[in-house]
Amino acid sequence: TQLLEQSPQFLSIQEGENLTVYCNSSSVFSSLQWYRQEPGEGPVLLVTVVTGGEVKKLKRLTFQFGDARKDSSLHITAAQPGDTGLYLCAGARGTSYGKLTFGQGTILTVHP
Amino acid sequence: GAVVSQHPSRVICKSGTSVKIECRSLDFQATTMFWYRQFPKQSLMLMATSNEGSKATYEQGVEKDKFLINHASLTLSTLTVTSAHPEDSSFYICSGAQGYNSPLHFGNGTRLTVT
Repeated sequence: TQLLEQSPQFLSIQEGENLTVYCNSSSVFSSLQWYRQEPGEGPVLLVTVVTGGEVKKLKRLTFQFGDARKDSSLHITAAQPGDTGLYLCAGARGTSYGKLTFGQGTILTVHP
Repeated sequence: GAVVSQHPSRVICKSGTSVKIECRSLDFQATTMFWYRQFPKQSLMLMATSNEGSKATYEQGVEKDKFLINHASLTLSTLTVTSAHPEDSSFYICSGAQGYNSPLHFGNGTRLTVT
């Protein structure tokens, strides 16, 4: 079983602070996706990283895929209350983007 | 963008009854659909993978006879929770992909409460 360890599980910060969420595994994933989920809704895809060492930016969010494709990080700069939510990393097995193994999730709360 | 519609969004049922959840791909043909289960403040756990016209593949520990999955068309997959019990209360989420290598599109989930 390919497991994804996501940390921290909970993060409570003030508006304007920076934060990083980590996703680690002992196994190699063909691709890794980051999602954000609001209560009572399905996850919304933020980004997919495929190549080892890849870095993608989405406004204030920076995503990195480890060189060995076993780990990934999400860094948010100058967090805002609107960033509050559950962030999930998910690794894909083989060539399928669909059969995902999810990390435990990080509940982020940004206080004004 | 691709949309997956899941219905109902919330359902409350009595213990022992069955509940059917529908997952429809509105603007694409979902060759493959995945069903996930999520407990409060926890992550998504894959329950099963369904391919149109064939039997679903269940993950280890998921009871096939309890969670019946039907994927009869390229736009509709259903999950029926049979003889529901309070421990089946959870948030069920479906997702669809146009092909094996295609990105996933998630539905908005169904909150099932079994009393």
